[in-house]
Amino acid sequence: GAGVSQSPSNKVTEKGKDVELRCDPISGHTALYWYRQSLGQGLEFLIYFQGNSAPDKSGLPSDRFSAERTGGSVSTLTIQRTQQEDSAVYLCASSLVVRQAGDTQYFGPGTRLTVL
Amino acid sequence: GENVEQHPSTLSVQEGDSAVIKCTYSDSASNYFPWYKQELGKRPQLIIDIRSNVGEKKDQRIAVTLNKTAKHFSLHITETQPEDSAVYFCAALRYGGFQKLVFGTGTRLLVSP
Repeated sequence: GAGVSQSPSNKVTEKGKDVELRCDPISGHTALYWYRQSLGQGLEFLIYFQGNSAPDKSGLPSDRFSAERTGGSVSTLTIQRTQQEDSAVYLCASSLVVRQAGDTQYFGPGTRLTVL
Repeated sequence: GENVEQHPSTLSVQEGDSAVIKCTYSDSASNYFPWYKQELGKRPQLIIDIRSNVGEKKDQRIAVTLNKTAKHFSLHITETQPEDSAVYFCAALRYGGFQKLVFGTGTRLLVSP
């Protein structure tokens, strides 16, 4: 079946502009995650959704970052008033969440954001 | 919160050699430990995972070991091939709380022919 998809694949924006990044999880996956990966760095957790609720927003770097998920499916990550340090690859992942000890997270291809 | 440390940051081996990557974690309640492989410009892909009720898991040339007492786990790749060259990330998660994977900083593995 189809995997996690993200759009756009690349986004170039000017400093101060707002951007929206979209994630389509695997059908039926109840959990959705956003991560950020800066050049040559590891994966930084941003936010986690279970259904439409976000029980863990602890990774959002500032109040310029927000995310929502509707219908238990598509999620949008919004960055307001973008700064150059926001430049990174934003990765989305989804998982089924049925096990007692961890569920495989499947990653999308990412959106490469460049803030000029 | 959980903290995961990963070593080494880079690892160069000759084709056919074995490679070992080690990770330590801080939260003794963590019970799920996946390993992801990320090739240049591509998405991370799960290659193997282990849960806290087992000490070792193998899948062909790849194995993972877990020492809960010492709070460390390792990835072992035998008979390395050039296509194994990639960045490998370990991660830890405590199920029952928030489903947040905490990743290590990654190991860049280079396998030379």
